[in-house]
Amino acid sequence: KAGVTQTPRYLIKTRGQQVTLSCSPISGHRSVSWYQQTPGQGLQFLFEYFSETQRNKGNFPGRFSGRQFSNSRSEMNVSTLELGDSALYLCASSFPAGILVGANVLTFGAGSRLTVL
Amino acid sequence: AQRVTQPEKLLSVFKGAPVELKCNYSYSGSPELFWYVQYSRQRLQLLLRHISRESIKGFTADLNKGETSFHLKKPFAQEEDSAMYYCALRGTYKYIFGTGTRLKVLA
Repeated sequence: KAGVTQTPRYLIKTRGQQVTLSCSPISGHRSVSWYQQTPGQGLQFLFEYFSETQRNKGNFPGRFSGRQFSNSRSEMNVSTLELGDSALYLCASSFPAGILVGANVLTFGAGSRLTVL
Repeated sequence: AQRVTQPEKLLSVFKGAPVELKCNYSYSGSPELFWYVQYSRQRLQLLLRHISRESIKGFTADLNKGETSFHLKKPFAQEEDSAMYYCALRGTYKYIFGTGTRLKVLA
């Protein structure tokens, strides 16, 4: 089966612009979470979505937002980009808890590498 | 506060030597803990999870609630084990990752 697909893979933006990143989960996975990966900080949790509802949000400013659609695909948006937003943004999908086999195991996409100039 | 700490950024060992990657956590409640691995030019992927109590690629990890640790161990390192390893904790609708340890296995 197809893996987690993230688009675009690479993008370059300038300060003040906004960006939208897309994530298509594995078929059947209804939970999608997003992470910011940087060399110094590792993976920082951004949000988790399940059935179009944001269940949790990490400690990021309001410029970071996301949503999930009825087909479980998810998008995240960063507005008013800052230089510090340059990072690899990873999306992961999973079965939600309650389905024992593989529950809560994250399957990651390849990431979207954002460079802010 | 919920936190995962991996104290070593880089761990270098010789092939055939034992490996221990340290992970300590802070969590009120029963944690669900994982080790994820990222090999060069590959996606981040699950290595093992504590509830499975299994050995994957020779690696094991035991949850020690008294010491709040979930160290990853392998008795004999192989060159193909060189990768970035992340310890992760499943909290309430979120995952908390450590900053990762890069393991280099030297020939």
